[in-house]
Amino acid sequence: DTEVTQTPKHLVMGMTNKKSLKCEQHMGHRAMYWYKQKAKKPPELMFVYSYEKLSINESVPSRFSPECPNSSLLNLHLHALQPEDSALYLCASSQVQGAEGTEAFFGQGTRLTVV
Amino acid sequence: GDSVTQMEGPVTLSEEAFLTINCTYTATGYPSLFWYVQYPGEGLQLLLKATKADDKGSNKGFEATYRKETTSFHLEKGSVQVSDSAVYFCALDNYGQNFVFGPGTRLSVLP
Repeated sequence: DTEVTQTPKHLVMGMTNKKSLKCEQHMGHRAMYWYKQKAKKPPELMFVYSYEKLSINESVPSRFSPECPNSSLLNLHLHALQPEDSALYLCASSQVQGAEGTEAFFGQGTRLTVV
Repeated sequence: GDSVTQMEGPVTLSEEAFLTINCTYTATGYPSLFWYVQYPGEGLQLLLKATKADDKGSNKGFEATYRKETTSFHLEKGSVQVSDSAVYFCALDNYGQNFVFGPGTRLSVLP
């Protein structure tokens, strides 16, 4: 199994809603990532978890709250988002963080629209 | 900081044409280099990678060689197909600090 599964595929939410994005992998990877991708742009790193601990937070607003409940799951909790937060949110995983040549495996993404 | 530069395109080719997408990088040390492909409406898929100088990554007819002297990792394919139409991202990983992506190159292949 070399898949990273993200749910939901599409999400429309109002600015006062609370929602969560979910990501799951069963490859035994110990590093997991959240990226944000705007149209026609490359992915931008948001958060990195290494061995279930947050290791990188790229100055992301607090309305985005990551959680890594175990080594296979990664959540992104959303609250009071703005329309400019509409984007494709990508989850990725890799064997470990910090090893030479370790590639990241990406999920299909959640397309989020904030109205 | 580390960075990746690539031709942004769009690149439009006829089927069976030769493809080159240029990629250069700036990084301290010896990063690993990657090409990822993103088909419409999908996530990123690893296309190929190279971890040290003069390594050649290859997959599905695509090739790229890690050139340390020119800090480049150009992507090539001898004969493109319509199904190769996608956005291609060059990326580096400097010992897992995080992946740094280039801006992406949109490729359209016409029948």
